[in-house]
Amino acid sequence: DTEVTQTPKHLVMGMTNKKSLKCEQHMGHRAMYWYKQKAKKPPELMFVYSYEKLSINESVPSRFSPECPNSSLLNLHLHALQPEDSALYLCASSQPSGRAAYNEQFFGPGTRLTVL
Amino acid sequence: GENVEQHPSTLSVQEGDSAVIKCTYSDSASNYFPWYKQELGKRPQLIIDIRSNVGEKKDQRIAVTLNKTAKHFSLHITETQPEDSAVYFCAATTRGTGNQFYFGTGTSLTVIP
Repeated sequence: DTEVTQTPKHLVMGMTNKKSLKCEQHMGHRAMYWYKQKAKKPPELMFVYSYEKLSINESVPSRFSPECPNSSLLNLHLHALQPEDSALYLCASSQPSGRAAYNEQFFGPGTRLTVL
Repeated sequence: GENVEQHPSTLSVQEGDSAVIKCTYSDSASNYFPWYKQELGKRPQLIIDIRSNVGEKKDQRIAVTLNKTAKHFSLHITETQPEDSAVYFCAATTRGTGNQFYFGTGTSLTVIP
């Protein structure tokens, strides 16, 4: 399996809702990432997990809460979001640095999030 | 940290012509440079990459060149086709930076039939 999968594909939520985004990979990668992407802009890194431990948090607001329950799964819990949080949320995976010389990242299809 | 600049931001070419997208980076320790293609509504897909110990790499109609001294790398697409129309992102990373990719701002390529 050489794919990163994400669910749901689309999500519409109100500012008071709690929802979760899910990401899964079975490539044996031990680094997983959450990115936020606005239209025609580059992906913005949010979080990096390496060996199931949070290694990078790019000063993301606490209304976004990541979780890595095991080496294949990555979740992003959402609570009290703002309309400006509407974006495409991409998950990616790779081998962590130190394990391979170079870190090719594989992206999932993304979740299109709309906050009303 | 690393800073990656990408030019042009938009590019239109006639079908069959070549397209060139250029990126510069600031950190001389960067050693891996991937290029991603993103079609509308789809995920970024790796189309070609180059390591810092190589000056050029080619895959059919796509090639990437790297000039470490000048700290720039370029994507070359020959014999462009309408299906090449997409947004292209360059990136740079350094082993040991916690797997962080630094992306360029993107180039929207339109191939006119």
